Amino acid sequence: DIQMTQSPSSLSASVGDRVTITCRASQGISNYLAWFQQKPGKAPKSLIYAASSLQSGVPSKFSGSGSGTDFTLTISSLQPEDFATYYCQQYSGHPFTFGPGTKVDIK
Amino acid sequence: QVQLVQSGSELKKPGASVKVSCKASGYTFTNYAMNWVRQAPGQGFEWMGWINTNNKNPTYAQGFTGRFVFSLDTSVSTAYLQIPSLKPEDTAVYYCAVVVAATFYWGQGTLVTVSS
Repeated sequence: DIQMTQSPSSLSASVGDRVTITCRASQGISNYLAWFQQKPGKAPKSLIYAASSLQSGVPSKFSGSGSGTDFTLTISSLQPEDFATYYCQQYSGHPFTFGPGTKVDIK
Repeated sequence: QVQLVQSGSELKKPGASVKVSCKASGYTFTNYAMNWVRQAPGQGFEWMGWINTNNKNPTYAQGFTGRFVFSLDTSVSTAYLQIPSLKPEDTAVYYCAVVVAATFYWGQGTLVTVSS
C-alpha cells in the first residue's frame, strides 16, 4: 500500500499569513493527489484534485503543486474561515490512502 | 454536477444491523467505481474498499473483510453499505466517494452510532 505522510502535523498561524503544507507519498503517484479541508463535525470539502487543479468554487488563495512523490498545498493569505484540518489523499490506485492531517489553528 | 447524497444518521444497539445508502447523480453511475471511507470519532480516514458498478464485484480493504457488505441498485444509481452485527467500535461517519474525471467527490457522510 502507498503510505502518505504530511508535515507539519499542526501549525499555528495568523490571519494574512502564507501557509504551506507538505505531503509525501511512499512511491510515485503521478498527479493522482487530492487535498481536502475538514472542519469539526463537517464532511470533507475538496480543494484540489490532480495535484494542482482547483475544485470548482474553491477560492484561488488555495493552490497545489507537485508530482510523483512530493506535493504541497499553499494558502496564500490565511483567513479566519481557513482554520481547519487539511488532508492529502492519493488515488493512484486501490487502496486509496490518506495523510494523517495537518491542523491549522490561530496563533 | 456530480452529487452523492447519503442517508441520515443512525443510532443502533450492538448486534443490530445498518444499511447506509448513497444516491449518485450528475454522471453515468455504472462508469465509475464507488468507494467507501470510514472516519471514527477524532480519527483520520480509512478507505474501506470499493465496488465495481459495472459487474457489482466488491473489493474490501484489510480490516473490512467479513462483516461489511457493499451492494448496488443500478436502476436508481444507488450504492449501499451494510454492516450486520454492529459493535460499539463501528461508531463512525461513513462516506461514499467516487473519482470522476480525476476529481474526487464525497457524499456528505452518515453518522452511525452504536450504543446500548
